[in-house]
Amino acid sequence: DQQVKQNSPSLSVQEGRISILNCDYTNSMFDYFLWYKKYPAEGPTFLISISSIKDKNEDGRFTVFLNKSAKHLSLHIVPSQPGDSAVYFCAARPGANNLFFGTGTRLTVIP
Amino acid sequence: DAGVIQSPRHEVTEMGQEVTLRCKPISGHNSLFWYRQTMMRGLELLIYFNNNVPIDDSGMPEDRFSAKMPNASFSTLKIQPSEPRDSAVYFCASSFGYGNQPQHFGDGTRLSIL
Repeated sequence: DQQVKQNSPSLSVQEGRISILNCDYTNSMFDYFLWYKKYPAEGPTFLISISSIKDKNEDGRFTVFLNKSAKHLSLHIVPSQPGDSAVYFCAARPGANNLFFGTGTRLTVIP
Repeated sequence: DAGVIQSPRHEVTEMGQEVTLRCKPISGHNSLFWYRQTMMRGLELLIYFNNNVPIDDSGMPEDRFSAKMPNASFSTLKIQPSEPRDSAVYFCASSFGYGNQPQHFGDGTRLSIL
């Protein structure tokens, strides 16, 4: 029973355009959300996070938006670069507990 | 700084054999997590430790799986006997404490059970 869902297994975007990766969750107890990026043959690396008391967090080209009423968060990458091509995992945590991960979205940025 | 170190990177063995995966967390981190990644279910938490003590092992699939953390710098995940459905990539991650501290992942062990 997936509590964190990434319904798009893949996404292709032209270089320079915006990439929007989406994530939905079902557990209203989740209060901290993270995005991880994973290259082939490597472990996931932490990208950006957001607490449930906020609705937006920005770090350079990366912005995460949280809509608590819709139980939805999204990661915006702008402008997208070929080096951003990777699998992106959304994760969520209910309080001080372990993370629940989505199944990932493979982003391909086309030069 | 050294990150989370996992060994071996790849393991191929026949079903029925014992498999031991190893993890060295980042020095100073006191929480350690074992995950399994499959195409169907993504990253699933198997077990996590805090200060070397297992806190939640509800994700361990069955009794064939066991994990230990004898000290702050080493953990093992053992599968005995192994089965083909155990084939997956197994990740170890560590973090400092609970709360809003991101987990740092190793590069994983790709396990193939024939």
